[in-house]
Amino acid sequence: EVQLVESGGGLVQPGGSLRLSCAASGFTFSSYEMNWVRQAPGKGLEWVSYISSSGSTIYYADSVKGRFTISRDNAKNSLYLQMNSLRAEDTAVYYCARGSKSSSWYWDYWGQGTLVTVSS
Amino acid sequence: AIRMTQSPSSLSASTGDRVTITCRASQGISSYLAWYQQKPGKAPKLLIYAASTLQSGVPSRFSGSGSGTDFTLTISCLQSEDFATYYCQQYYSYPPTFGQGTKVEIK
Repeated sequence: EVQLVESGGGLVQPGGSLRLSCAASGFTFSSYEMNWVRQAPGKGLEWVSYISSSGSTIYYADSVKGRFTISRDNAKNSLYLQMNSLRAEDTAVYYCARGSKSSSWYWDYWGQGTLVTVSS
Repeated sequence: AIRMTQSPSSLSASTGDRVTITCRASQGISSYLAWYQQKPGKAPKLLIYAASTLQSGVPSRFSGSGSGTDFTLTISCLQSEDFATYYCQQYYSYPPTFGQGTKVEIK
């Protein structure tokens, strides 16, 4: 069974940093592209970042470019999101999501999400 | 970025009803469209990709159609477990973008 389990969310002050993790199991993690997608409270879904299966190709939404860093450790079946210079508008539930085999850009499995709250 | 607009934003329906949700893209996206279902406090679940292909395990009462700029998600006979918010998402061009969601509520 495919499982994605996020962790690392919490309350952080504006300007602070946080590192999210996503532990994958039930599939060959190193064969799949992965993404982070977020959802502000009561709002819709927003794609945040993409990383290829090898980690060699990375993309970011303009809203987080230069502040967030996506990475992965295929030996540990884990995906990460380092978030720096956090702003109030980064407050959201962050989901890790697996790219489908037919396209990297829609997502067939999602984790349960981890809440990041940026507030003083 | 391609803008995705869903209508309606919300609707009320009864169990057994036929429900149709529309998604319009600001420019042509061929058939590069996915639909997700999200229940409160839960992660989105993939229902349909390539505009009309049902994801494995999704009930056949769900169907999708359309290409270019106009798409629909239809639930042929609404069940109690279908009350949720539905999102369309284009993956024709970078960055991938979502519609604002359609909340299906119990009448």
